[in-house]
Amino acid sequence: GQQVMQIPQYQHVQEGEDFTTYCNSSTTLSNIQWYKQRPGGHPVFLIQLVKSGEVKKQKRLTFQFGEAKKNSSLHITATQTTDVGTYFCAGPATGSSNTGKLIFGQGTTLQVKP
Amino acid sequence: DTGVSQDPRHKITKRGQNVTFRCDPISEHNRLYWYRQTLGQGPEFLTYFQNEAQLEKSRLLSDRFSAERPKGSFSTLEIQRTEQGDSAMYLCASSLVGTSGDTQYFGPGTRLTVL
Repeated sequence: GQQVMQIPQYQHVQEGEDFTTYCNSSTTLSNIQWYKQRPGGHPVFLIQLVKSGEVKKQKRLTFQFGEAKKNSSLHITATQTTDVGTYFCAGPATGSSNTGKLIFGQGTTLQVKP
Repeated sequence: DTGVSQDPRHKITKRGQNVTFRCDPISEHNRLYWYRQTLGQGPEFLTYFQNEAQLEKSRLLSDRFSAERPKGSFSTLEIQRTEQGDSAMYLCASSLVGTSGDTQYFGPGTRLTVL
């Protein structure tokens, strides 16, 4: 079945270091979405990418959608302790482009040491 | 607060008991989703409604699970004859079809522990 995979599963960084998480889909996606889940919290929508090769920035966060629309990345510059949490990518289930049904990756958990 | 709300936030039950969870979506949203999340995993889709119609159910949703959205507003998820494997966080999300990207807004979840 359709899968969305993320690496790494965990990342520990020193505050101020950069962080990148990678997302790969087994199928071509119409869009990719990124969510952040703080410890003990629920997923919060960050951004959606739609176009092949699209790059979007939100302050220190840079999101990229691959040319083949099968992979994506999230890069955080100069991490802060407020960046701690699990970052999930998610894509629409194949054949369900109009339902909103999402397939989530397993997430990358970021720990930041002050 | 106008976000998605879920009740209860925590539920501890004994194996074999029935449980029911409630989700109140953002008021103008016409789609409502249920997901299940276990430790170290991303949310897994269970089912979704558009208005009051249940349009898709995951194969994860055994016949012990049933969901309703009777008036196209709040939804309930019932698990009958709970098993220890049902222990998880049950997340509800809502969205408004027609907006760019059909962004899903998640509620705080109901954490179920089956003893």
